[in-house]
Amino acid sequence: SAVISQKPSRDICQRGTSLTIQCQVDSQVTMMFWYRQQPGQSLTLIATANQGSEATYESGFVIDKFPISRPNLTFSTLTVSNMSPEDSSIYLCSSRVDLNTEAFFGQGTRLTVV
Amino acid sequence: AQTVTQSQPEMSVQEAETVTLSCTYDTSENNYYLFWYKQPPSRQMILVIRQEAYKQQNATENRFSVNFQKAAKSFSLKISDSQLGDTAMYFCAFFTNAGGTSYGKLTFGQGTILTVHP
Repeated sequence: SAVISQKPSRDICQRGTSLTIQCQVDSQVTMMFWYRQQPGQSLTLIATANQGSEATYESGFVIDKFPISRPNLTFSTLTVSNMSPEDSSIYLCSSRVDLNTEAFFGQGTRLTVV
Repeated sequence: AQTVTQSQPEMSVQEAETVTLSCTYDTSENNYYLFWYKQPPSRQMILVIRQEAYKQQNATENRFSVNFQKAAKSFSLKISDSQLGDTAMYFCAFFTNAGGTSYGKLTFGQGTILTVHP
């Protein structure tokens, strides 16, 4: 397995601003995933980030709102842009060492937009 | 497309007793993986147990075991000798490494909140 360090762990932001969440993996991974989780709800996949290519977004999520960077095989960022209170949620990053192993997760970022 | 259904939004159990969480899934794939993840209030997603579809033997990890019924597409989690630290939200998840739009992605169920009472 591997360990993902995700930061910040929580933040309170003003509407209209942007927040960038970072995830650092302690080993090289091909695929990284970004999820949103409303309190008490399941995880919804935002996008898949592969190194060296554009992120692939799920239905309902767009690059202008959630730009993602994947500069190398151990790091990725998700930016939540032009935030509104509806963006208040938990954001988690995830990866796996290879496609035959389980996914592991960062600690999550609890975002509150006021 | 794959779907995962957890029909029990909340469950409770007394400490030291046994509880079973239900999960059903739907897929046309023959090779896939199933997982149970635990998410305590700390938000950290922790892998509890995994099952490869090609294995007939049910997976076990200490106090945690699964009842995998491939034909019925059922994957329940049994927690024996429940402990206070088992209190968390539990997610059933499905993954296939077949091609297509679901490649590499985990599909999660809705989650079951488990409370262990002293």
